[in-house]
Amino acid sequence: ETGVTQSPTHLIKTRGQQVTLRCSSQSGHNTVSWYQQALGQGPQFIFQYYREEENGRGNFPPRFSGLQFPNYSSELNVNALELDDSALYLCASSPGVAGNTIYFGEGSWLTVV
Amino acid sequence: KQEVTQIPAALSVPEGENLVLNCSFTDSAIYNLQWFRQDPGKGLTSLLLIQSSQREQTSGRLNASLDKSSGRSTLYIAASQPGDSATYLCAQKDDYKLSFGAGTTVTVRA
Repeated sequence: ETGVTQSPTHLIKTRGQQVTLRCSSQSGHNTVSWYQQALGQGPQFIFQYYREEENGRGNFPPRFSGLQFPNYSSELNVNALELDDSALYLCASSPGVAGNTIYFGEGSWLTVV
Repeated sequence: KQEVTQIPAALSVPEGENLVLNCSFTDSAIYNLQWFRQDPGKGLTSLLLIQSSQREQTSGRLNASLDKSSGRSTLYIAASQPGDSATYLCAQKDDYKLSFGAGTTVTVRA
């Protein structure tokens, strides 16, 4: 039990639609990172939020966007879904940017058809 | 660009055999190197973290080593059990993000 909760666990969307994935961080963690894991691959860093501001971004297009709220929960939004967006989306929370502690949620499985 | 490689991609061993999992990374200025376990369709569980100033870390049957000069880390699992069957991922950390390898999927046969 990591204390990081993601919803929904599974969803199916049609190409071109928009999706919002949600993450509740572990209590006291002010930093949240999102990763995309395609089948058979390692997770790829999408972006990180620290105290409601984007702190870093991986090689993902602008249609991937995020929010972090004052209670440090977070959303990942993906617009204009493409078939290649089908993946497991993982949220990870940590008590700071530079620390070693990081906890992952169970992920949200997105299938784009 | 940081690149992390894990070989082999898959490994099958009989119960009781020791496991050796390899990880190569390109950035010698890593902040730390971390090993994770992932069960099918699940999130990641941290197993061991090695700071850049350390050479190894141990937890129970698990031991991980770090050699920055050669860009390699090795995870050893002693006396493997069927419950060790999972995918093992290594990741190097820079200032704020983790860069992962594709993982090694381990099957321990009873």
